Amino acid sequence: KAGVTQTPRYLIKTRGQQVTLSCSPISGHRSVSWYQQTPGQGLQFLFEYFSETQRNKGNFPGRFSGRQFSNSRSEMNVSTLELGDSALYLCASSPGQGVSAGYGYTFGSGTRLTVV
Amino acid sequence: QKEVEQNSGPLSVPEGAIASLNCTYSDRGSQSFFWYRQYSGKSPELIMSIYSNGDKEDGRFTAQLNKASQYVSLLIRDSQPSDSATYLCAVMGGQNFVFGPGTRLSVLP
Repeated sequence: KAGVTQTPRYLIKTRGQQVTLSCSPISGHRSVSWYQQTPGQGLQFLFEYFSETQRNKGNFPGRFSGRQFSNSRSEMNVSTLELGDSALYLCASSPGQGVSAGYGYTFGSGTRLTVV
Repeated sequence: QKEVEQNSGPLSVPEGAIASLNCTYSDRGSQSFFWYRQYSGKSPELIMSIYSNGDKEDGRFTAQLNKASQYVSLLIRDSQPSDSATYLCAVMGGQNFVFGPGTRLSVLP
């Protein structure tokens, strides 16, 4: 079966711009989580969506936002980009939420965002 | 703040040896524990999960969990150069999935 699909794979943006990243979960998975990964900070949790509702949020500024559609696909948006936003953005999908989210928690290939 | 800690490494072992990776966590309410492997430039992939105290074996991999001491470890037997990667420990308690910073493993031919 198809895995978690993230688009685009690579993106170069200028400071001050905004960007939208997309994540299509594994068919049947209803939970989508987003992470930022940088060499210095590791995997940092951004937010989790389940049934079109944000269930959890990490410690990121309001410039980072997301949403989930009725087909479970999710998008995340970063406004007013800063140089420090350059990172690999990963999404992960799972069948359920909470404790059950650990079962089958699968990552996409990520979107490499570079802000110049 | 729920924390998961790992030695950043790099941990270097010769080919054929046992690699031992350790992880400690702070939230006593944590219920599920996972090990992910991440090759350079790739996304993390799940290699082991463990939920009960004791050992769980899967091929060359053994996960060990001790909830009283709040640590989980991963042993890789007969290490191969292809095992060279960063290993991420992940802990789930309640609603959140928390990742450790990862340990970089290098298996030397």
